[in-house]
Amino acid sequence: DAGVTQSPTHLIKTRGQQVTLRCSPISGHKSVSWYQQVLGQGPQFIFQYYEKEERGRGNFPDRFSARQFPNYSSELNVNALLLGDSALYLCATLGAKNIQYFGAGTRLSVL
Amino acid sequence: QKEVEQDPGPLSVPEGAIVSLNCTYSNSAFQYFMWYRQYSRKGPELLMYTYSSGNKEDGRFTAQVDKSSKYISLFIRDSQPSDSATYLCAMSAGGGFKTIFGAGTRLFVKA
Repeated sequence: DAGVTQSPTHLIKTRGQQVTLRCSPISGHKSVSWYQQVLGQGPQFIFQYYEKEERGRGNFPDRFSARQFPNYSSELNVNALLLGDSALYLCATLGAKNIQYFGAGTRLSVL
Repeated sequence: QKEVEQDPGPLSVPEGAIVSLNCTYSNSAFQYFMWYRQYSRKGPELLMYTYSSGNKEDGRFTAQVDKSSKYISLFIRDSQPSDSATYLCAMSAGGGFKTIFGAGTRLFVKA
């Protein structure tokens, strides 16, 4: 079985631009969560989606939005990028026993 | 006060040493406790998973949860250079919802 896949692997944007990150879950997993990991820190929860509905939101501004598609894949959108949005963005899907499985992440650099 | 506190290290040990990693937390609602390993520029990989209190052993790894003290530990026996990574503690109240991570401890095992 393929694991959680994220695209793109790396991304460079400039301040004020918009970015879309993509995540494909493990087959059969219906819940997707997004995390932001700034260098030297642990991942911070942004969103969780289950069956295409938002189930939770972390302490992030409205510039961050997400959605889940009928095939359970997901997109994270960030508008009006700031330098502080530079981070590794991680997608995780939920398996048995409520265990989260993470993708390799998308590394976003905002210049 | 952060919900989860973890000493970021770095922790440097010789090969073969026993490593002890710890986290404290403040939210008594946490029921699920995880340890993830993260190599540089990769996504977190689940190492150990414990529900409620108690010990769990898997090969060279032992996880302990003391809910009365709000304290969790990960022990690594016979540490190897390949164990060099960042170790993240994580916990949630249930349902895989809004997992909270510690800052991560950087571990270096010297050959």
